[in-house]
Amino acid sequence: DADVTQTPRNRITKTGKRIMLECSQTKGHDRMYWYRQDPGLGLQLIYYSFDVKDINKGEISDGYSVSRQAQAKFSLSLESAIPNQTALYFCATSDWSTDTQYFGPGTRLTVL
Amino acid sequence: QKEVEQNSGPLSVPEGAIASLNCTYSDRGSQSFFWYRQYSGKSPELIMFIYSNGDKEDGRFTAQLNKASQYVSLLIRDSQPSDSATYLCAVKAGANSKLTFGKGITLSVRP
Repeated sequence: DADVTQTPRNRITKTGKRIMLECSQTKGHDRMYWYRQDPGLGLQLIYYSFDVKDINKGEISDGYSVSRQAQAKFSLSLESAIPNQTALYFCATSDWSTDTQYFGPGTRLTVL
Repeated sequence: QKEVEQNSGPLSVPEGAIASLNCTYSDRGSQSFFWYRQYSGKSPELIMFIYSNGDKEDGRFTAQLNKASQYVSLLIRDSQPSDSATYLCAVKAGANSKLTFGKGITLSVRP
């Protein structure tokens, strides 16, 4: 079984819809992250959480919100999706000691 | 603004050659350095990390760090077509800071 899972893997939605992307991990890591990746732009950090009670904005948090429901679960929400949020979204986890990040398989989101 | 810069690429090398991937960073206080490989449509996977100046070798991969010149590089010896991917450099400033990724460089290994 994968250590970091994301659901859904693919999603097509319409402008203005609310959508939630979910991430779960079995690695026992405290730290979790949400990134988006656009062609040619690399990975951009949306939000990150160092423990259940800690939520921090990343570089591009506008239009997004997150919820850390438990140590193992970190959800990303788009309250009102817009076409320029079409991208590949990755969840990642890390351990505080090495901070090596482990990525989930990604969610490909298309906003029409 | 902390920046991590990678050669724009793409980089093409023949099979069996050495591929050299370079990365520079702006934050002189950076402490940890990572190389990730990402195949098209897949998630990034860690190749190596390095914390200290000098070289670190793992199989065909060697990471080189020079903090004075603020660069980190990845050498891939005996390049194989299966090494064709995008390589991401990532830099971390301190224990409670986040990773900053470069935009990546695409490597193509010609059979």
